[in-house]
Amino acid sequence: QKEVEQNSGPLSVPEGAIASLNCTYSDRVSQSFFWYRQYSGKSPELIMSIYSNGDKEDGRFTAQLNKASQYVSLLIRDSQPSDSATYLCARYEGYALNFGKGTSLLVTP
Amino acid sequence: DGGITQSPKYLFRKEGQNVTLSCEQNLNHDAMYWYRQDPGQGLRLIYYSQIVNDFQKGDIAEGYSVSREKKESFPLTVTSAQKNPTAFYLCASSMVQGGEKLFFGSGTQLSVL
Repeated sequence: QKEVEQNSGPLSVPEGAIASLNCTYSDRVSQSFFWYRQYSGKSPELIMSIYSNGDKEDGRFTAQLNKASQYVSLLIRDSQPSDSATYLCARYEGYALNFGKGTSLLVTP
Repeated sequence: DGGITQSPKYLFRKEGQNVTLSCEQNLNHDAMYWYRQDPGQGLRLIYYSQIVNDFQKGDIAEGYSVSREKKESFPLTVTSAQKNPTAFYLCASSMVQGGEKLFFGSGTQLSVL
């Protein structure tokens, strides 16, 4: 199975800082990538999608995709305590999403 | 409001018992999915269906069964053959075109008594 790898963390950043979350994948065919946020005991919610090389910005979030190096990242600017959650990276495999194990982010006041 | 409804929120299974998790959507989505999540783990695909009366096994289908008799409904049965069923189960749906954007239900936590 093609893998989606994430550092489980926890990643701890102070309030107002930039949080950087990374994800690598194991093949060069993948075209579509997604970042989901999941609070404890809740279902994942989509926060960003990215399909082409480069950066995509949406408010405080920036997704970055580098297909040659096979990684995708998520930057969260001006991190808030409410951003504390698990962030799941996912890759579309033509019929369903394949998820990484997630990175736990803790934003400290 | 359009959305995906999973029930029950919590479910307990006795040894040797089959249990069924409900998933209903009114988003008019063609595709539906079941994922399993264990603590500290990502989501693993159990089954998916892209059209009524058709479904496919995912990565961890053993010990589970599904049906897709109606577009709106995709129930999951956890059979007695699933020896480690304790997990958080998530149902999702999407359009087949643009199917990468999944919409999730609120989940069912299944535990073994």
